[in-house]
Order: sequence, then structure tokens, then C-alpha cells
Amino acid sequence: DVQLLQSGAEVRKPGATVKISCKVSGYTFTKYCIYWLQQAPGKGLQWVGLVDPEDDETRYADRFQGRVTVTADTSEDTAFLELASLTSDDTAVYYCATERCNANACSFDYWGRGTLVTVSS
Amino acid sequence: QSALTQPPSVSGSPGQSVTISCTGTSSDVGYRNRVSWYQQPPGSAPKVVIFEVSRRPSGVPDRFSGSKSGNTASLTISGLLPEDEADYYCTSYTTDNIVVFGGGTKVTVL
Repeated sequence: DVQLLQSGAEVRKPGATVKISCKVSGYTFTKYCIYWLQQAPGKGLQWVGLVDPEDDETRYADRFQGRVTVTADTSEDTAFLELASLTSDDTAVYYCATERCNANACSFDYWGRGTLVTVSS
Repeated sequence: QSALTQPPSVSGSPGQSVTISCTGTSSDVGYRNRVSWYQQPPGSAPKVVIFEVSRRPSGVPDRFSGSKSGNTASLTISGLLPEDEADYYCTSYTTDNIVVFGGGTKVTVL
């Protein structure tokens, strides 16, 4: 069975940095891209960034550009999301998800359970 | 403001059908068949129920169906069951291969 095991909840002060993880099992880690998605309390889903573990290529959503870093450690089959200069607007659940593609389309087929990041002074 | 437009809520009685729309542009929903739908029950992670506009992953009941016309995609849930009560999100990819989301629709089973 495929599992995406995310790290536990984090609390940070404004201006701090947080780094959360997503350990993959059940498929070859380098085969698919890992996305990070943000869901603020009572709000919808937003894309944060992605990493292709095969070649470490990354892309980031414009609204997070400059303060987000997504990485992959192929020795541990684990992806990481690091978000700096935190504000209260970053308080949210962050999901990692595996993007699988066929010849015509892609979808997020596997999801972690989410990691709650709370930013509070 | 989300890139794709969904109604905030829809409701129906058990056994009825509900349809959720997802409106984008010719640069995302209208561009190829790269629309997916996700179901998110309260307190849980999302789960894909439709991909490539109308295809169902294994294990998803055939009560769930998807379609697309122009720049608007739709998800229909037939024979509504209490366990269908959840938030539903549509996604698509832009011509730049960037994923965009709808704002989500809350489905209530009356």
C-alpha cells in the first residue's frame, strides 16, 4: 500500500521558519512528482510548490516565491517543505500529494494526512 | 480568489442527483482534458474521484461522473448517499502546466 507519512504539527512565531516532511512508501520515490498544498482554516486548497525527486527540479507558486523551498532526499524517500518569514496567513494544514500522469492527464492520486502549522506570537 | 469558479454549496436528498460546476478559461479547463475532482470529507485529506474529465479511479462508485463543455467542467453525483457529504474541489492545469484549483463546493445531504 502507498503511504505518505507527514511529520507532526508545528508552532512557530511570526518571522520564523518551519520545515515539514513527507516520507513515501509503497512506490518508487523517484517515479512521480511530489506537490505541497496549503489549506488555511475553513478555506480551499492552494498549490505551494513541487519537486521532481528524479532530477530535483522544483517549481513554486508565485505567492510563495522567494520564501519557500521544496526538496527531496532520495536516500530517505522523503520530501520536505521549508517556509520562511512566517506570518499568521501561513497558519494552515499542509498536504503532500503524489502527482501521477498518464499520456493525457495528471491527478493527485496519493495524499498525506496533513501537517498543521500554526503561526502565533 | 480561486482560479476556477465553483458554487459554494449544493444540496440534495438521499437518492437524488447533484451537479457541481467548475468554470475556468480556454487556458485551463478548456485546454485539453486535464480536469480532476477531489472529495474531502470533514477532517480528512482529499481523495481523487474523477481524473481526465470523466475517468473514475478504481474503487470510486459509478455514481460519480464527470463531463466538460467548453470552459466548464461538471461533477455529478447520482443516487446521493449520506457518506457523499463532503467538500469537492476541481483542478485543472494551465497551458504553462501549472495546477489551478476551484474554491470548493460543500455538498450537503438533506
